[in-house]
Amino acid sequence: GESVGLHLPTLSVQEGDNSIINCAYSNSASDYFIWYKQESGKGPQFIIDIRSNMDKRQGQRVTVLLNKTVKHLSLQIAATQPGDSAVYFCAEKGANLSNNDMRFGAGTRLTVKP
Amino acid sequence: DAGITQSPRYKITETGRQVTLMCHQTWSHSYMFWYRQDLGHGLRLIYYSAAADITDKGEVSDGYVVSRSKTENFPLTLESATRSQTSVYFCASKWQMNTEAFFGQGTRLTVV
Repeated sequence: GESVGLHLPTLSVQEGDNSIINCAYSNSASDYFIWYKQESGKGPQFIIDIRSNMDKRQGQRVTVLLNKTVKHLSLQIAATQPGDSAVYFCAEKGANLSNNDMRFGAGTRLTVKP
Repeated sequence: DAGITQSPRYKITETGRQVTLMCHQTWSHSYMFWYRQDLGHGLRLIYYSAAADITDKGEVSDGYVVSRSKTENFPLTLESATRSQTSVYFCASKWQMNTEAFFGQGTRLTVV
């Protein structure tokens, strides 16, 4: 069946380094993708989104890259800070889902070492 | 306060009891959702609503009931709680399709 997943369940980086979190999706008809950040004890928080007609989108310190050829999504965080430590989820919406049903990956835990 | 709020934050209930989790949003968002979050599964959709009085099942709807008599409220009821329903439940809302959803802080439910 269709699935959204992450290559790495955990990622540890040094403060100041760049972080890259990866996500593979299998539904080639997916047309909208979101990255969420979830801190301990809190609900997911929107970081950045991208539509399938784009391959790159930048926000403040974050960049999302979409490679539709290999069905891969990545989140790049520049100059990672301790406050970036959290679990990061990618989510997709595709043709096999209802108009408002986002499918989430299991998440990657990012730990930033001082 | 503006935003999306869930209550209670924590709940312990016994197997077989009915329990209702509340969700309230102040943005007048059309769409509202209930997800459960379990280790290793990420967020899974239980139910969603496109507008008042319009609801539809998600991926894991068995054992749950929802209602949406008012745009701002979207309560989730477990009719007869089971241990497998022990989880963290998140409510979310959004304005339109293909926009980000805003999540509440979650309700941690334990069924004993």
